[in-house]
Amino acid sequence: GQNIDQPTEMTATEGAIVQINCTYQTSGFNGLFWYQQHAGEAPTFLSYNVLDGLEEKGRFSSFLSRSKGYSYLLLKELQMKDSASYLCAVVDSNYQLIWGAGTKLIIKP
Amino acid sequence: GAVVSQHPSWVICKSGTSVKIECRSLDFQATTMFWYRQFPKQSLMLMATSNEGSKATYEQGVEKDKFLINHASLTLSTLTVTSAHPEDSSFYICSARDYDREYEQYFGPGTRLTVT
Repeated sequence: GQNIDQPTEMTATEGAIVQINCTYQTSGFNGLFWYQQHAGEAPTFLSYNVLDGLEEKGRFSSFLSRSKGYSYLLLKELQMKDSASYLCAVVDSNYQLIWGAGTKLIIKP
Repeated sequence: GAVVSQHPSWVICKSGTSVKIECRSLDFQATTMFWYRQFPKQSLMLMATSNEGSKATYEQGVEKDKFLINHASLTLSTLTVTSAHPEDSSFYICSARDYDREYEQYFGPGTRLTVT
């Protein structure tokens, strides 16, 4: 079966760095997305990785290792507005998105 | 670019009535649109995938006669919740896949449905 695992909840301090991990087992791989979702709102796109390595975009970076079936989202200089759920999603061989359950990130002052 | 709109953004209806939710891709052609449902504090649950001009493919456990999906054009898909019940109250989100970018989905802002 297809499976995506990410921690249910994480807590971090304002100004700090946090890494949210995602491991996956899917039928085929055509890329991995990270989305941010604030409570009561639809997901918004953060990043897309299809090749191994680190992609940096401002305070957010995303890393992928296809051989390990592993990705992480790194958030630097955390702000209170970063409190949200972070969803990992993998595009399988049929170009369908397989979703993780999301990681709720709580930022404390 | 790649904007998806949904209408209405929220709706309250009485039990037994039907509600239609529209999903539009505003600046691109969407050959495929997806309908998701999300209950509080839970992840997205894919309900169905609709391709323009053909019948929708429903996920296991989703009643196709209750959740009617129509994808009549490359920019519009509709979800009709028929004979709504309080347990249908949820956040419904559509997403659209750009014809030119097979792998990426763009999300609408969501529709919050409350059935009383």
